[in-house]
Amino acid sequence: EVQLLESGGGLVQPGGSLRLSCAASGFTFSSYAMSWVRQAPGKGLEWVSAISGSGGSTYYADSVKGRFTISRDNSKNTLYLQMNSLRAEDTAVYYCAKDPAYCSSTSCYPQYYFDYWGQGTLVTVSS
Amino acid sequence: VIWMTQSPSLLSASTGDRVTISCRMSQGISSYLAWYQQKPGKAPELLIYAASTLQSGVPSRFSGSGSGTDFTLTISCLQSEDFATYYCQQYYSFPWTFGQGTKVEIK
Repeated sequence: EVQLLESGGGLVQPGGSLRLSCAASGFTFSSYAMSWVRQAPGKGLEWVSAISGSGGSTYYADSVKGRFTISRDNSKNTLYLQMNSLRAEDTAVYYCAKDPAYCSSTSCYPQYYFDYWGQGTLVTVSS
Repeated sequence: VIWMTQSPSLLSASTGDRVTISCRMSQGISSYLAWYQQKPGKAPELLIYAASTLQSGVPSRFSGSGSGTDFTLTISCLQSEDFATYYCQQYYSFPWTFGQGTKVEIK
């Protein structure tokens, strides 16, 4: 059974930093791209960042580029999001999400939609 | 950036109704569209991908159609557990974007 468990959220002052983690289990973590998607209170979904299975390719929304860094440790089956220079508008529930991937006999290719999601962790940026 | 217009934003319906939700793109995306269901306080769940392919375990009363710029999610016979918010998502081009959401509420 696929499980994604986020942690690391909390209250932080504007300009501060926070690191989110997502512990994955139930699948071959290194074979799948992963993403972070956030949802501000009462609002819709916003894709934030993605990383390839190997970690060699990363992608960011313009709203977080230069402030957030996505990474992964495939030996620990864990995805991370380092968030710096936080702003009030970064307040949201942050979900980690798994890419379903299309796998041939030799390689897996990300699809960039999301077949499993964690339960989310709340980040509140406020003084 | 591909802009998405999802409509309606709020849909009032009764159990047993057939409901449709629309998602229109600012440019063609072939069939690179997914639909998600989200219940209050919960994470989204994948319903449909590739515009019309039902995710494993999703009831057959859900269906998706469309290609290019216009897409539709249909629930053929609304059940009590279907009252939720629904989002479309395009994965044709970076950055991947979501529609604004459609809340399906009890009439």
